Amino acid sequence: AQTIHQWPVAEIKAVGSPLSLGCTIKGKSSPNLYWYWQATGGTLQQLFYSITVGQVESVVQLNLSASRPKDDQFILSTEKLLLSHSGFYLCAWSQGYEQYFGPGTRLTVL
Amino acid sequence: QQQVRQSPQSLTVWEGETAILNCSYEDSTFDYFPWYWQFPRESPALLIAIRPVSNKKEDGRFTIFFNKREKKLSLHITDSQPGDSATYFCAAISGSWQLIFGSGTQLTVMP
Repeated sequence: AQTIHQWPVAEIKAVGSPLSLGCTIKGKSSPNLYWYWQATGGTLQQLFYSITVGQVESVVQLNLSASRPKDDQFILSTEKLLLSHSGFYLCAWSQGYEQYFGPGTRLTVL
Repeated sequence: QQQVRQSPQSLTVWEGETAILNCSYEDSTFDYFPWYWQFPRESPALLIAIRPVSNKKEDGRFTIFFNKREKKLSLHITDSQPGDSATYFCAAISGSWQLIFGSGTQLTVMP
């Protein structure tokens, strides 16, 4: 069975500080991986997707970057957080059309 | 540009009633329509999905009705239960990876 793990579970960070969020998927070989962002009470916005190691495509520009250093790992980061970065960050995987979400990371930027 | 629209924004039904959640889209190249439900403080979970080759998809109490000509679909939840109270997102795939979500419908089922 596939398992998807995100870390950390929650973060409280200061404006201007760096950020690194991680996602690991086990039990699935070479999945497509995605990062999503959800504002409180809002919809989901796809940020990045990756179909293979070392290859990441950006969907929207939010002063964030993503990398895929391993087949089962996806990293979201920024060097300088903004207040607008607060929200719920979700990693997802797919093989075929169905996308499945991880448990998410709640980020509060103060 | 909002390509997937949902209505109503919120919906309250009594236990046992049928809840109807609506969704419409603009891009005729969309070829897969999943519905996700999300409980408070949790991540979205895939509930049911349909391809445009079908006009109906049923899974227990959950049924999607699809009208390709009008670019509309709806999710019917029969015999609604309080445990069905959640936010429901309609989404559409463009290509094989770009999942576009609607704004969601918050469903409350009163006991």
